[in-house]
Amino acid sequence: SQELEQSPQSLIVQEGKNLTINCTSSKTLYGLYWYKQKYGEGLIFLMMLQKGGEEKSHEKITAKLDEKKQQSSLHITASQPSHAGIYLCGADVAGFQKLVFGTGTRLLVSP
Amino acid sequence: DADVTQTPRNRITKTGKRIMLECSQTKGHDRMYWYRQDPGLGLQLIYYSFDVKDINKGEISDGYSVSRQAQAKFSLSLESAIPNQTALYFCATSASSSGNNEQFFGPGTRLTVL
Repeated sequence: SQELEQSPQSLIVQEGKNLTINCTSSKTLYGLYWYKQKYGEGLIFLMMLQKGGEEKSHEKITAKLDEKKQQSSLHITASQPSHAGIYLCGADVAGFQKLVFGTGTRLLVSP
Repeated sequence: DADVTQTPRNRITKTGKRIMLECSQTKGHDRMYWYRQDPGLGLQLIYYSFDVKDINKGEISDGYSVSRQAQAKFSLSLESAIPNQTALYFCATSASSSGNNEQFFGPGTRLTVL
């Protein structure tokens, strides 16, 4: 079965600093989805990557897909307290019928 | 606004009780999912349904059952709750017509089994 490993598991950064979260798959990535979850709340869709080399940005968040490494990275520039939460990656399981999720990265942004 | 709603938002129950969690959506999506989230374990798929007459087991279906009463409604039942079913439960929807697997999540139900 496909597994997604996220690193780091948790991260504390000072406001204004940049950070990167990685999501590595044990199998070929066909589609990769990034979600953000505020503590104890539902998941909010951030971005979807479907092609190797694809890069998307939304406000200060950029995600890239490296199909050779079977990996996606999420980069936040000039972090703010509003970026705090749990970031989860999800990947299409072969057959595109469902998603498998990583264990999440817990981000805290200190003032 | 089109939305995914879950009821109840919080529930405390005792071991052995039957519990039903409900999910409704106004997005017009055909696919619906139930996940549970435990600390440090991400989201695990319990059951999913691609249409009213379609029910599929996920990774951790033991101890759970589901019912797809209508395209907009998908309920999750715990026939005899046990403490290790204490978790945060999420319902999600997606549209097969979208060509991708983007899923829209409800706000979650926090279940505690004593």
